[in-house]
Amino acid sequence: DTAVSQTPKYLVTQMGNDKSIKCEQNLGHDTMYWYKQDSKKFLKIMFSYNNKELIINETVPNRFSPKSPDKAHLNLHINSLELGDSAVYFCASSLRQGPYEQYFGPGTRLTVT
Amino acid sequence: AQSVSQHNHHVILSEAASLELGCNYSYGGTVNLFWYVQYPGQHLQLLLKYFSGDPLVKGIKGFEAEFIKSKFSFNLRKPSVQWSDTAEYFCAVKGPNTGNQFYFGTGTSLTVIP
Repeated sequence: DTAVSQTPKYLVTQMGNDKSIKCEQNLGHDTMYWYKQDSKKFLKIMFSYNNKELIINETVPNRFSPKSPDKAHLNLHINSLELGDSAVYFCASSLRQGPYEQYFGPGTRLTVT
Repeated sequence: AQSVSQHNHHVILSEAASLELGCNYSYGGTVNLFWYVQYPGQHLQLLLKYFSGDPLVKGIKGFEAEFIKSKFSFNLRKPSVQWSDTAEYFCAVKGPNTGNQFYFGTGTSLTVIP
């Protein structure tokens, strides 16, 4: 009964490849997020998304694109991977309205070689 | 733009010492405040949160935090730390005009020495 799950847990790939990370939540939340955590543990919002609105952090390269087949899923697709994309990527979810906390997934450690 | 500052980047304490981690935010309106903990190799977990009411908030594992509106602060405290509290601690703020977004601080790494 995992609340927010991500696959894969680890992803090792070469520069230039295209990869996807999947995220699913079973909490009935209507909003999902992607964060990037770098080697210094700095946590940076990349996207927040619900069925009506996608908010993109303007510093995120357009090689990154979120794709949501339904309310419970938000996948992250990355084109033309670069060395600097190596990080841990966390998915999170919450309810849009109200002061509700975000629930985080276990993270995906992406290593680009 | 919102910002959240955590002034202590790395804290080292002995077991049973008292802990206080600083968090300041820049948003001037009504805010919701959170502290998350990330144990080594794990995901972020909620420690405690402040929405309204009593500015002294109790969380899990003996942690508490005090919201001081005049100082734009939400410092995390624990009277006696344990080795198992070794982790990364993140302060976060959400305001009515931030949309769905949380703004996280840069984190404080706590190491507790047995």
